[in-house]
Amino acid sequence: GEDVEQSLFLSVREGDSSVINCTYTDSSSTYLYWYKQEPGAGLQLLTYIFSNMDMKQDQRLTVLLNKKDKHLSLRIADTQTGDSAIYFCAEKRNAGNMLTFGGGTRLMVKP
Amino acid sequence: NAGVTQTPKFRILKIGQSMTLQCAQDMNHNYMYWYRQDPGMGLKLIYYSVGAGITDKGEVPNGYNVSRSTTEDFPLRLELAAPSQTSVYFCASGGAHGNTEAFFGQGTRLTVV
Repeated sequence: GEDVEQSLFLSVREGDSSVINCTYTDSSSTYLYWYKQEPGAGLQLLTYIFSNMDMKQDQRLTVLLNKKDKHLSLRIADTQTGDSAIYFCAEKRNAGNMLTFGGGTRLMVKP
Repeated sequence: NAGVTQTPKFRILKIGQSMTLQCAQDMNHNYMYWYRQDPGMGLKLIYYSVGAGITDKGEVPNGYNVSRSTTEDFPLRLELAAPSQTSVYFCASGGAHGNTEAFFGQGTRLTVV
């Protein structure tokens, strides 16, 4: 199975908060990332967190990291229709220079 | 700024044909990457390069080759296309995937029939 796992789908109403979850398996991960992919486009880095942090906030985005449980989440406050996209979490491990991506969570925002 | 440019955007290949996916970046990044994205899956790293003249295998390199003769260009070569190589291919460039951003191209959708 995937080393990085995400649920496939999330649907929220405009104005609500969205929480996208991710679990990973490698405790040596140094950085964890959230990328956004809009239809027909490449990936855009939203935010990242270093593994010695447990929270990072950037405007409407809040990243929470529970290193003990190897759980990462992305909270989007006041979700807008423009937030509809696929969100990928990814980890960078201590060894090598590769990112390991989850399968992506498709966020649908209903007006 | 052009950023990362991939060509072509779409391509249909017959089994056994070969082709080169082009990738160019104008940000003077040392690191460049090729990923493939299969439906419902995350990205898998095919090859990467830490600078001109240096390339390394990623997670799924079989059936592909790369070269990095300049900082700007990082072409991906498929020699004998197989249906299993039907995918969307993304090129990216950036820093050492630390706290620096990786910039992605728009992707090349390849179908092998």
